[in-house]
Amino acid sequence: KNEVEQSPQNLTAQEGEFITINCSYSVGISALHWLQQHPGGGIVSLFMLSSGKKKHGRLIATINIQEKHSSLHITASHPRDSAVYICAGLDNYGQNFVFGPGTRLSVLP
Amino acid sequence: EAQVTQNPRYLITVTGKKLTVTCSQNMNHEYMSWYRQDPGLGLRQIYYSMNVEVTDKGDVPEGYKVSRKEKRNFPLILESPSPNQTSLYFCASRPGYGNTIYFGEGSWLTVV
Repeated sequence: KNEVEQSPQNLTAQEGEFITINCSYSVGISALHWLQQHPGGGIVSLFMLSSGKKKHGRLIATINIQEKHSSLHITASHPRDSAVYICAGLDNYGQNFVFGPGTRLSVLP
Repeated sequence: EAQVTQNPRYLITVTGKKLTVTCSQNMNHEYMSWYRQDPGLGLRQIYYSMNVEVTDKGDVPEGYKVSRKEKRNFPLILESPSPNQTSLYFCASRPGYGNTIYFGEGSWLTVV
């Protein structure tokens, strides 16, 4: 069993739809990061969470520490949101990351 | 502009020929790290450094070396590359604990 799991693995949506990507982890972490990897390969950090909820534009990330679960929501999805979304847990020492397998999102016009 | 710069971006090399992938950041970050990304295995941490002269192994350090002589630079060294080190490599940095992480653009390495 992987220490960080994501669902779904693949997701296809129509433009404008509300999207949710889930991340569950089985290890202790000090923070959880959501990353976005575009088809060209580059990786961008979207959020760093240790509790509660954060919002940036159309993106919202939440984390429930007790349930060891985080979600990434995209409102009013757009084709430019098509990417692989990766959650990553930072260990309790703040040193080592454990990555989820990624969720491949395709938003169709 | 804040950035993490890796070189080379693309490289095809032969088994056993030593190579170095350079990584440089201009944000005065303490923490730097290297990852490899492989299909079906996702991102995995190779080495990380909490500050100058402080480095430690990640999950997959075998076959790699690193050094951190200056704060801005964190090169990844493959002393004797093998085909199983063919991968996409990322360097990253962040300003210490609990902060946004910045990734380089990636280096595609093929060992034949």
